[in-house]
Amino acid sequence: AQKVTQAQTEISVVEKEDVTLDCVYETRDTTYYLFWYKQPPSGELVFLIRRNSFDEQNEISGRYSWNFQKSTSSFNFTITASQVVDSAVYFCALSDQISNFGNEKLTFGTGTRLTIIP
Amino acid sequence: ETGVTQTPRHLVMGMTNKKSLKCEQHLGHNAMYWYKQSAKKPLELMFVYNFKEQTENNSVPSRFSPECPNSSHLFLHLHTLQPEDSALYLCASSQESSGGFTDTQYFGPGTRLTVL
Repeated sequence: AQKVTQAQTEISVVEKEDVTLDCVYETRDTTYYLFWYKQPPSGELVFLIRRNSFDEQNEISGRYSWNFQKSTSSFNFTITASQVVDSAVYFCALSDQISNFGNEKLTFGTGTRLTIIP
Repeated sequence: ETGVTQTPRHLVMGMTNKKSLKCEQHLGHNAMYWYKQSAKKPLELMFVYNFKEQTENNSVPSRFSPECPNSSHLFLHLHTLQPEDSALYLCASSQESSGGFTDTQYFGPGTRLTVL
């Protein structure tokens, strides 16, 4: 069975500090996708990144960076120079195919609540 | 309107009421999803519709009844709910095709449901 573990339930850092959110996954599939979503207080899940299991290159997008390591089944997310607007719950998710139509079934972690202290 | 919209944003209902949640996607996608988000629990997939046909019912109680009249609209009809059904209900859409993996799911803002 697929599983996503976000061991950090809550993290608080002072503004401008760097912070890393951990994500560890389990799957028997050889082909899969990993995701990060951000959920601000408004409730909407905002898509941040999608990563193919065959692409282990790290990615950087502005202050955000992601470290994908297949050897440790981890897909960690780092925010550099954090800002108050980064305060949200962050979810890591894993997908597999659930039907002949190719629907993705997302397995979510329980989320990490990040609070940036001004 | 852009992206995925959901109405109402907040709903309070009694256990004997009947209400409906509405989701509309403006992304040209052909698959839509209902998720339930309860406190302290991972998001739970409830239903999947692909090309207007239901392809997944994740053991959801019959007091939740989905309807997908076309690829842009998705409803969740609610009747005789229980207090434990109080949660944030999220709708998502994606572009699906037969065979391999497909596009990312994009989410709406959710409906915060409280059952008294």
